[in-house]
Amino acid sequence: DTAVSQTPKYLVTQMGNDKSIKCEQNLGHDTMYWYKQDSKKFLKIMFSYNNKELIINETVPNRFSPKSPDKAHLNLHINSLELGDSAVYFCASSQLRPGGNEKLFFGSGTQLSVL
Amino acid sequence: DAKTTQPTSMDCAEGRAANLPCNHSTISGNEYVYWYRQIHSQGPQYIIHGLKNNETNEMASLIITEDRKSSTLILPHATLRDTAVYYCIATTSGTYKYIFGTGTRLKVLA
Repeated sequence: DTAVSQTPKYLVTQMGNDKSIKCEQNLGHDTMYWYKQDSKKFLKIMFSYNNKELIINETVPNRFSPKSPDKAHLNLHINSLELGDSAVYFCASSQLRPGGNEKLFFGSGTQLSVL
Repeated sequence: DAKTTQPTSMDCAEGRAANLPCNHSTISGNEYVYWYRQIHSQGPQYIIHGLKNNETNEMASLIITEDRKSSTLILPHATLRDTAVYYCIATTSGTYKYIFGTGTRLKVLA
C-alpha cells in the first residue's frame, strides 16, 4: 500500500488553464504539506495543513488554492496556469509527536508542464 | 529554524563509508537535526534524526558534535543505489515548516 499517493503523476496543459492535483495519505497523520521543486531542484514549502486547517502559507500566489476535505486528503487547485508554474509538486504528511520524531513522508510527485 | 550548510557534491567509492557533513552553527537547544535524501526525481525519503546524542538505524548513523554546531551522516557501506541528494535540516518539533536547503549531491562510484 502506498503511504502518500498523488495523482496525476504527469500533467501537461496550456497556459491559462485550471488544473488540480490530488493527494491522499493512509498513515493516519494529522499534518499534510505541498512542496514545489523547480527546475533548479530547489524544494520549497508552499502550504501546511493540520487537521484540515491551513497553518502555513508561504506567500504563494492566490491562484493556488489548497483544500483539505479531511485529514487524509489535501488537494491543490491551480487557476490560470503560467509557464513559471512548471515544476514537480510533492505532497507530504507527518504526525506531530513529542521528542521531535516527526518524519515527513513524501508522495512520488506530480510533474506539471505548462506550455 | 537554523540555517544549514552542506557541500554541493561528493563522490564515494562503492563499498566504502560515505561521510556527509552538515554545518548548523546557529542551532538552538530545542532544534533537531534531520536527514533526508532524494533519489533521482522521487519524493524525499527520511533517513535519520537526532537532538544531541549519536543515532544509528538500519540506513545510517548520525554523529552530532558535542557543541551541536555540526553533524555528519554516515552511510557505512555505500552502494550505487545510495546515489542521491542528501538534505540536512535543523528544526524544532511541531514546526509545520521543514525547510530544505540545496543539499549534497552524493555520487557513489563503481
